[in-house]
Amino acid sequence: DAGVIQSPRHEVTEMGQEVTLRCKPISGHDYLFWYRQTMMRGLELLIYFNNNVPIDDSGMPEDRFSAKMPNASFSTLKIQPSEPRDSAVYFCASSLLREAFFGQGTRLTVV
Amino acid sequence: GQQVMQIPQYQHVQEGEDFTTYCNSSTTLSNIQWYKQRPGGHPVFLIQLVKSGEVKKQKRLTFQFGEAKKNSSLHITATQTTDVGTYFCAGRRVSGYSTLTFGKGTMLLVSP
Repeated sequence: DAGVIQSPRHEVTEMGQEVTLRCKPISGHDYLFWYRQTMMRGLELLIYFNNNVPIDDSGMPEDRFSAKMPNASFSTLKIQPSEPRDSAVYFCASSLLREAFFGQGTRLTVV
Repeated sequence: GQQVMQIPQYQHVQEGEDFTTYCNSSTTLSNIQWYKQRPGGHPVFLIQLVKSGEVKKQKRLTFQFGEAKKNSSLHITATQTTDVGTYFCAGRRVSGYSTLTFGKGTMLLVSP
């Protein structure tokens, strides 16, 4: 298996633009997580899905953030409109109950 | 909510010196996991501890889970430059399925 695949690896966008981050989890994993990593706040859990259903989105910062998982092999995290404070590395991870397998991350820069 | 605190935030050692990072949870944990993130990389799972007082070793790395299942430590003996990175602990609450709560990590720098 190729592991968790995220795209794009890097994204630079202007404030106010819509940003969509994509994730393909490991086949067979039933949990999918979106994390945001910054120096100040560390690794923050934004939202997680179980069997494609959002279970806990209490970590989503505000209504500008939304996430979907239309099927077991694909998830998106959307930010609309983006703001400079959204600049961070966004990780997707998948799991089958024990450890989380992280993707390579998307480094988002909002200017 | 559950909090996982990790200390120190940062440590710089000379190659060959030992290193320890400590993790403390505000609540009793079902289990604790440790991850390593190399600079520019992503967190990679190292180990999971489940039992009270458990000690596990991976070569030069020794992991401990406290008797009360609220704290844990990772000790590296005789560090090498390949140990450079950030080490995270991540705790899972006792009741039902719960997600991992990550500590903020300890960044380790090893000078040759």
